[in-house]
Amino acid sequence: QLQLQESGPGLVKPSETLSLICTVSGDSITISDYYWVWVRQPPGKGLEWIGSINYSGKTYYTASLKSRVTMSVDTAKNQFSLQLTSVIAADTALYYCARLKVGGTGNLFDHWGQGTLVSVSS
Amino acid sequence: EIVLTQSPGTLSLSPGERATLSCRASQTLSNNYLAWYQQRPGQAPRLLIHGASSRATGIPDRFSGSGSATDFTLTISRLEPEDFAMYYCQFYGTFGQGTKVEIK
Repeated sequence: QLQLQESGPGLVKPSETLSLICTVSGDSITISDYYWVWVRQPPGKGLEWIGSINYSGKTYYTASLKSRVTMSVDTAKNQFSLQLTSVIAADTALYYCARLKVGGTGNLFDHWGQGTLVSVSS
Repeated sequence: EIVLTQSPGTLSLSPGERATLSCRASQTLSNNYLAWYQQRPGQAPRLLIHGASSRATGIPDRFSGSGSATDFTLTISRLEPEDFAMYYCQFYGTFGQGTKVEIK
């Protein structure tokens, strides 16, 4: 059964870099039908897609964060990661990693991690 | 950029009642590739419906999706206690703002 698990610091200082890793188990990250994504949810608010990456490193980022986001993939460890630079208080959120199934009936977020809360505060 | 607008913001209903949630797109959605997700408190979202009307694996048949072009609906035929949650529609990288289904 596919599982995703986020890991990383729960507290980041303003202007510093947020770094998270998602470890995938139960299936290979190299399957071509899927992208691997980060989605965030500020406390009490809705869902925001941050970006997607496939096994070969092809990336897509949401326009509003594109200048600050970098995603990478490590196929040997079956992991992918997120870096968000120059964080501000508005970046405080629950960060989810998820699998994105492409093609078929659209792009579907079909498996999710449990999420990790990242707070931006000095 | 496509914007998805969900209504109502909150739906107050009793167990056993029918819930009807709306998602309206700012442009016609190609191939009706709209999906719905449920998010219970403290949990990650869960895929319910894809392609506007196809239930995801393991989703009970009281959940159904319909609609096309710019207007889509998620219907829960008879609310169970575990159905009181947030619901989001999604098209590619865009999510609606959500509808909360709460106990009346």
